[in-house]
Amino acid sequence: KAGVTQTPRYLIKTRGQQVTLSCSPISGHRSVSWYQQTPGQGLQFLFEYFSETQRNKGNFPGRFSGRQFSNSRSEMNVSTLELGDSALYLCASSLLDRGVDGYTFGSGTRLTVV
Amino acid sequence: AQSVTQLDSQVPVFEEAPVELRCNYSSSVSVYLFWYVQYPNQGLQLLLKYLSGSTLVKSINGFEAEFNKSQTSFHLRKPSVHISDTAEYFCAVSLSSGSARQLTFGSGTQLTVLP
Repeated sequence: KAGVTQTPRYLIKTRGQQVTLSCSPISGHRSVSWYQQTPGQGLQFLFEYFSETQRNKGNFPGRFSGRQFSNSRSEMNVSTLELGDSALYLCASSLLDRGVDGYTFGSGTRLTVV
Repeated sequence: AQSVTQLDSQVPVFEEAPVELRCNYSSSVSVYLFWYVQYPNQGLQLLLKYLSGSTLVKSINGFEAEFNKSQTSFHLRKPSVHISDTAEYFCAVSLSSGSARQLTFGSGTQLTVLP
């Protein structure tokens, strides 16, 4: 079956712009989480969604937001982009609540802010 | 809050030699433990997990990890590595109860298998 699909794979944006990243979880998975990966900070948790509800949010500024739709697809939005937002953004889904079965990650969206 | 320490950022090892990647965690409550592997330009793949029960868990490709509660460790081992095992390995924890169940990752260990 299809894995976690993230689009686009690569994105270049200018400082001050906004961006929307998309994630389609594995069919049947209702839990979706987002992580940011940078060389300096490593892997950091952004949000967790379950059945369209944000259950948990990491320590990121309000410029980072997200949502989940009724079909479990999720989007995250970053407004007023800063150079430091350049990162690999990873989406992960799990079948069981709270990811106890282990999350399946997508290949990520690499965002470059110039 | 929980934290994860991966003591070695880089581990070079010759092909067919054994390897151990070290992971220590800190948490005041019960946790689940995971190892993920990341190949270049890809996302993370779940290698193995410890939720409960037997403290020794194994993956299908020869890796194993042992949960040691007294030493708060979850080291990853493989008796004989292959070139294809070259990748970055991340240890992660999540709380086993409560509302904050996100994964907290270590900083990663780059395993390089040399011919």
